[in-house]
Amino acid sequence: NAGVTQTPKFRVLKTGQSMTLLCAQDMNHEYMYWYRQDPGMGLRLIHYSVGEGTTAKGEVPDGYNVSRLKKQNFLLGLESAAPSQTSVYFCASSYPANYEQYFGPGTRLTVT
Amino acid sequence: SQQGEEDPQALSIQEGENATMNCSYKTSINNLQWYRQNSGRGLVHLILIRSNEREKHSGRLRVTLDTSKKSSSLLITASRAADTASYFCATDSGSARQLTFGSGTQLTVLP
Repeated sequence: NAGVTQTPKFRVLKTGQSMTLLCAQDMNHEYMYWYRQDPGMGLRLIHYSVGEGTTAKGEVPDGYNVSRLKKQNFLLGLESAAPSQTSVYFCASSYPANYEQYFGPGTRLTVT
Repeated sequence: SQQGEEDPQALSIQEGENATMNCSYKTSINNLQWYRQNSGRGLVHLILIRSNEREKHSGRLRVTLDTSKKSSSLLITASRAADTASYFCATDSGSARQLTFGSGTQLTVLP
């Protein structure tokens, strides 16, 4: 099993550009999450999903949108990137009955 | 906002020594988890302690939880160079098990 994978691994955007980060998991997990990690800080929750077709806002949702069209995929979109969105983005997934989250390797995004 | 605050922010020890990291949180919790993050990698789950437990062991890891003080500690015994990483506590809330992370402790184990 590949676990949780993220695409791309690195990306540089100019202010105002848009992009989509893809998260895929092959563990049949119901719950999926997007976090961002800034230097010297823990992870902060952006959006999450409890199942196919459902999404909800986390702690820092502004400037991001998400979609969960298939159970195994969770997409994070930036419609108009800003330098404040420079960060490392992590996707995670879990079973409803299990508290442990499984994380992907991260996407390092720089917005200039 | 960060639910958990970790102490110390950085810790450097010799191989074979024990490492203790502390975490404090603000609100009531269901569970508290500890994760490890190696440089440039994703987080890996280490151990979970439920709110009605006071102590839990897993291999060289020992976690304690004091809900009256809203604090937890992670002890790594007989540390190894491979334990060098950042360690985060995380508390869960909400029906979707959303996690709120602390700011982390950077542990360096010197060979």
